[in-house]
Amino acid sequence: DTEVTQTPKHLVMGMTNKKSLKCEQHMGHRAMYWYKQKAKKPPELMFVYSYEKLSINESVPSRFSPECPNSSLLNLHLHALQPEDSALYLCASSQVKAGPYNEQFFGPGTRLTVL
Amino acid sequence: AQKVTQAQTEISVVEKEDVTLDCVYETRDTTYYLFWYKQPPSGELVFLIRRNSFDEQNEISGRYSWNFQKSTSSFNFTITASQVVDSAVYFCALSGDNFNKFYFGSGTKLNVKP
Repeated sequence: DTEVTQTPKHLVMGMTNKKSLKCEQHMGHRAMYWYKQKAKKPPELMFVYSYEKLSINESVPSRFSPECPNSSLLNLHLHALQPEDSALYLCASSQVKAGPYNEQFFGPGTRLTVL
Repeated sequence: AQKVTQAQTEISVVEKEDVTLDCVYETRDTTYYLFWYKQPPSGELVFLIRRNSFDEQNEISGRYSWNFQKSTSSFNFTITASQVVDSAVYFCALSGDNFNKFYFGSGTKLNVKP
């Protein structure tokens, strides 16, 4: 099973709302990632979790709050977002250790619109 | 510093033509990994290939082939006999000592017309 699932597929929220994005994988990967992708741009790394601990935060605003409740799940909590936060949010997972199998597998993404 | 350059912003070909997507990378790491991903209009990035810095063998998978040349810091991707289903944005990516951190190129949009 090489699948990463993400819910919801689409999300529309107001600037005062609180919402969460969810990601799940069952490949036994112990590294999970959140990326943000604007139209016609490459994915931008936001957060990396290794063994359920936050290992990389790319100076993301605090209105984005990641959580990794267990090795299979990754959440991204959203609060007081701005319209410029509208984007495709991608989750990915991979092996943790360096080596020949560190490719990341991506989910289908959540397309977020902030009104 | 790590950097990936995909100079071709958009390429249009007619079905059955061969097409090569260029990728040039910069890194000071002695061990690094190169990747190609496909992103169709649906949005999901699909992993195509990984190549390790110590393995310069070229690879062929069906209509896809990859040419890795350390001497020119390039990792080019060729699609033979292109098909409409190949239409997508293709990203080249690099990871180095911090192997969890990927550096993506800006992507090349491939349009294959029937």
